[in-house]
Amino acid sequence: GAVVSQHPSWVICKSGTSVKIECRSLDFQATTMFWYRQFPKQSLMLMATSNEGSKATYEQGVEKDKFLINHASLTLSTLTVTSAHPEDSSFYICSARIAGRYEQYFGPGTRLTVT
Amino acid sequence: EDKVVQSPLSLVVHEGDTVTLNCSYEVTNFRSLLWYKQEKKAPTFLFMLTSSGIEKKSGRLSSILDKKELFSILNITATQTGDSAVYLCAVLQSYNNNDMRFGAGTRLTVKP
Repeated sequence: GAVVSQHPSWVICKSGTSVKIECRSLDFQATTMFWYRQFPKQSLMLMATSNEGSKATYEQGVEKDKFLINHASLTLSTLTVTSAHPEDSSFYICSARIAGRYEQYFGPGTRLTVT
Repeated sequence: EDKVVQSPLSLVVHEGDTVTLNCSYEVTNFRSLLWYKQEKKAPTFLFMLTSSGIEKKSGRLSSILDKKELFSILNITATQTGDSAVYLCAVLQSYNNNDMRFGAGTRLTVKP
């Protein structure tokens, strides 16, 4: 149980384009989903917290107009990287939390490369 | 400033060895401490510790939390090459706060 999927698993895009990453909880309802970014050999950095049906809460230093998050249902959250630049290249991981529990279950991640 | 510090940052052992990974924290409104194992992709959940002094065990892995001294350890006995991974410690703060603050991780390499 508690499986989280992400799509795509990797994507290459050109500078200036937008990329959408989907995060789905497959066998449970996730009232809260989280988006993280991970640079090589570094730990996970929380970007934003997404609650179903409400606006995402962004961490300090994360541009909400650049990283658009939509949590449309209890099983789906999306992260759209708008006007991507090479410095946005990174590993993006989502996680989901089952209502009433504290641990987070992670998706397999999406590697974004912006050329 | 809230922080989660893991040590060592990296560790190389041989199969069969026992290892102890450390995680210390200084955070406001501590709620729980979680351990994750990250291999090539996303972290997988290992343990969540909320109460002090109660050991959690899963196979060769075990973990315990000391809320007085503000640290946790993750033990792995009889290590195998498949244990090679980055082990992440994360602290969940307060009841209503969704934030989970991660440590930098310990990279464990188990050699045959």
